[in-house]
Amino acid sequence: EPEVTQTPSHQVTQMGQEVILRCVPISNHLYFYWYRQILGQKVEFLVSFYNNEISEKSEIFDDQFSVERPDGSNFTLKIRSTKLEDSAMYFCASSEFDSPGTAYEQYFGPGTRLTVT
Amino acid sequence: RKEVEQDPGPFNVPEGATVAFNCTYSNSASQSFFWYRQDCRKEPKLLMSVYSSGNEDGRFTAQLNRASQYISLLIRDSKLSDSATYLCVVNFNGGSQGNLIFGKGTKLSVKP
Repeated sequence: EPEVTQTPSHQVTQMGQEVILRCVPISNHLYFYWYRQILGQKVEFLVSFYNNEISEKSEIFDDQFSVERPDGSNFTLKIRSTKLEDSAMYFCASSEFDSPGTAYEQYFGPGTRLTVT
Repeated sequence: RKEVEQDPGPFNVPEGATVAFNCTYSNSASQSFFWYRQDCRKEPKLLMSVYSSGNEDGRFTAQLNRASQYISLLIRDSKLSDSATYLCVVNFNGGSQGNLIFGKGTKLSVKP
C-alpha cells in the first residue's frame, strides 16, 4: 500500500540553526501539507501546497518557514532559524485530487521529531 | 474561530464493549469530516470519512448531524488493538483541499 515517507525520523538542532525536513508524498497525490504536534497537544495545520505554490497557510507558518517541491517526488519544510518552541513532531500529509464537494482524505507520514536545544 | 471539541476521556472499557465518542465543531459551513486514530507518538491514521447519511465500516459506525454540528463514532465489540486516541477532524474549507482542524482527541483504553 502506498504511503507517505519522511526523513529524518528524529532531528536534534541548536537554537538559531536551519533545518530541512523531507517528505515523499504518495506518488499520484497532488496536494501536500505540513502539520505539527507539540507534545501533549493537538495536531495543528501549517501549510498546504498545490501546483507548485502555497494554497493556504496558518498563522504559525511565519517568515521563518518555507516549503518547496525541489523535484518530482520530494516535498520539504525549511525552518530558517529554529526556536525552542519549534520543538514538535512535524507531519507531512498528501491527498489526491478529488471532485468538488467530496472529502479530500489526507494521509500522514510517520513524522519527524524535531528537538531544538 | 474554527474549533473542534472532544471529550478527552480516557474511556476505559472491557474487551467486547461498545463505546461511543462525540465531537462538536464550530463552523456550520464545514464540508468534510473524518475520524483518525493516533497511537502514542505515531502519526494520525485515517479511520473513516464521515458522510451526511452516516456510514459503517465493520465494527465502526460514524454519524453526522449537521443541524447540531455534531459527529459521533461508535465502536462495537472493542478489541485490545482499538486502544488509541481517536481524533475528530474537520475540513472547514468547503470540501476543497483546505486544511484539517483537529480535536484534541479522546483516549480509549480497552482492557482484557
